[in-house]
Amino acid sequence: RKEVEQDPGPFNVPEGATVAFNCTYSNSASQSFFWYRQDCRKEPKLLMSVYSSGNEDGRFTAQLNRASQYISLLIRDSKLSDSATYLCVVGPNDYKLSFGAGTTVTVRA
Amino acid sequence: GAVVSQHPSRVICKSGTSVKIECRSLDFQATTMFWYRQFPKKSLMLMATSNEGSKATYEQGVEKDKFLINHASLTLSTLTVTSAHPEDSSFYICSARSAGANQPQHFGDGTRLSIL
Repeated sequence: RKEVEQDPGPFNVPEGATVAFNCTYSNSASQSFFWYRQDCRKEPKLLMSVYSSGNEDGRFTAQLNRASQYISLLIRDSKLSDSATYLCVVGPNDYKLSFGAGTTVTVRA
Repeated sequence: GAVVSQHPSRVICKSGTSVKIECRSLDFQATTMFWYRQFPKKSLMLMATSNEGSKATYEQGVEKDKFLINHASLTLSTLTVTSAHPEDSSFYICSARSAGANQPQHFGDGTRLSIL
């Protein structure tokens, strides 16, 4: 079983829509959780850390469910610029991270 | 803040050539740097972790004599792919992290390596 699994998508949504997706992880000892975004043929860029209580950053909301071992990302009021691949990143600490293969989101005009 | 620069961004060279990739943290001290490789439509795979002034820790299956890592300062790490072959062609990405808890990794621009 992969350490981090994501629905590859693509999620095709119109501008202004809300899109949400999950990521499951296998290591129950995981303590560090992040969402990164990666544009085509570019490096990953940190979108947000994910905290136990859940957190929000503008139009982006991340949740952590330790019991079911998944994290989620919700994007409200989607913009064209939100089109990207979103990488779920999980690890027992900040040093040993495992990356999901990514969920592709395409926002259309 | 938290800018990581990676150079070169693109390399095309003949089989048997050794290729050196630099990773620099421009505005913070990177006590730990990481080297990943990524194949198309696949997740990043950690190759090795290096702490400044120490030998790198390689992941299982990664040949340390093939992928030489040097982390001589708090702002620079290098990866040298020795005697590269076509199967080494990939996207190599470094990341850097400062000391302390809850510090994220910040990624360089990546190096696209093509071995002919």
